[in-house]
Amino acid sequence: GDSVTQMEGPVTLSEEAFLTINCTYTATGYPSLFWYVQYPGEGLQLLLKATKADDKGSNKGFEATYRKETTSFHLEKGSVQVSDSAVYFCALGSAGGYQKVTFGTGTKLQVIP
Amino acid sequence: GAVVSQHPSWVICKSGTSVKIECRSLDFQATTMFWYRQFPKQSLMLMATSNEGSKATYEQGVEKDKFLINHASLTLSTLTVTSAHPEDSSFYICSATGQGGETQYFGPGTRLLVL
Repeated sequence: GDSVTQMEGPVTLSEEAFLTINCTYTATGYPSLFWYVQYPGEGLQLLLKATKADDKGSNKGFEATYRKETTSFHLEKGSVQVSDSAVYFCALGSAGGYQKVTFGTGTKLQVIP
Repeated sequence: GAVVSQHPSWVICKSGTSVKIECRSLDFQATTMFWYRQFPKQSLMLMATSNEGSKATYEQGVEKDKFLINHASLTLSTLTVTSAHPEDSSFYICSATGQGGETQYFGPGTRLLVL
């Protein structure tokens, strides 16, 4: 079945550091890929997505590229801020009558001033 | 836009009682709603999918008589945990998609503690 593997956290970075959170997936067909973010005390929010190979999703300075050859969708940001502290979930959506989403375990990011 | 709310955000109940959790789409019509369960430091696990006006589709291993789901309108779905036991304590999250929508919009979650 479909699965998502992402790096375990927590990840602690200083402000303005470069961020990479690795994510790889296993799926049949051509899934859509997502990064969701969960800020403390809030629900999950869609951060970015990519729907086909080589697509790059981007939002709020975050980027991720859909790499079919390596089945990866790594999240990157060039310069993190304290406000980026949150839990980040990589996910894939399988096509069908509805979009069934499979989530990774989440990676907690803590950015210190 | 695309806001989903859940109520209550926190509930504590005695073992053997039933608890109802509401999920509402506030500014769009949710043709499909999803219920997830999240254990500490673990991923979200899909419990069931519900379409407005029809019976929910449960994932393998989820007891449908234990977790009753009703999606009576395009803006409201409810999850009732019947005869709750301590092992049902968890974080329950709902999400919703609009017609033809690919993206799921999530509620803030409901933390259930069964004593």
